[in-house]
Amino acid sequence: DSGVTQTPKHLITATGQRVTLRCSPRSGDLSVYWYQQSLDQGLQFLIQYYNGEERAKGNILERFSAQQFPDLHSELNLSSLELGDSALYFCASSVLGTGVSPLHFGNGTRLTVT
Amino acid sequence: AQKITQTQPGMFVQEKEAVTLDCTYDTSDPSYGLFWYKQPSSGEMIFLIYQGSYDQQNATEGRYSLNFQKARKSANLVISASQLGDSAMYFCAMREDSEYGNKLVFGAGTILRVKS
Repeated sequence: DSGVTQTPKHLITATGQRVTLRCSPRSGDLSVYWYQQSLDQGLQFLIQYYNGEERAKGNILERFSAQQFPDLHSELNLSSLELGDSALYFCASSVLGTGVSPLHFGNGTRLTVT
Repeated sequence: AQKITQTQPGMFVQEKEAVTLDCTYDTSDPSYGLFWYKQPSSGEMIFLIYQGSYDQQNATEGRYSLNFQKARKSANLVISASQLGDSAMYFCAMREDSEYGNKLVFGAGTILRVKS
């Protein structure tokens, strides 16, 4: 168990809808990362937060947004969903926002858009 | 530019034998970390082993060892005494140190199948 909690585990929704994925980092970790894993794109970095502030942005679509709350949990909001958004979404956490220590991943949320 | 290259899409190994999964990387940053993760069919990402760019010795964690060759920019994962439970996708990843955040960049992965 990595200590990173993601909910829900599975999500099935229709095109055009909006969903929210939730992540609680490991105790003591201040930085949260979001990744998308799809068959054709592999593991893609979306966005990073450190202690409530956005630190780095990757290939995140404008329809997607995220935030990190004062209690350090994070939410990833996906709107106007398309079939191509179907993927496994991972949250990961680390103690620091910089440095080269490992990221610890949650079990992911599997999103299916129909 | 591709930063992490895993050239073996799939590998087979006989149970109890050792196997090496290849990984090469590209960076101009002197400070970086190299990681291997395992993803079983159930989907979770499991951290296996870490090597820092300044580490003098190769990292080891139980049956996992990392063959780090800095000049060749390679960080191969060696799994000794393979077990059926080692069958999974394995990802090599790199994290560069940056003042403004430092994402983990993944390779395409290698599927390992352990045969009994």
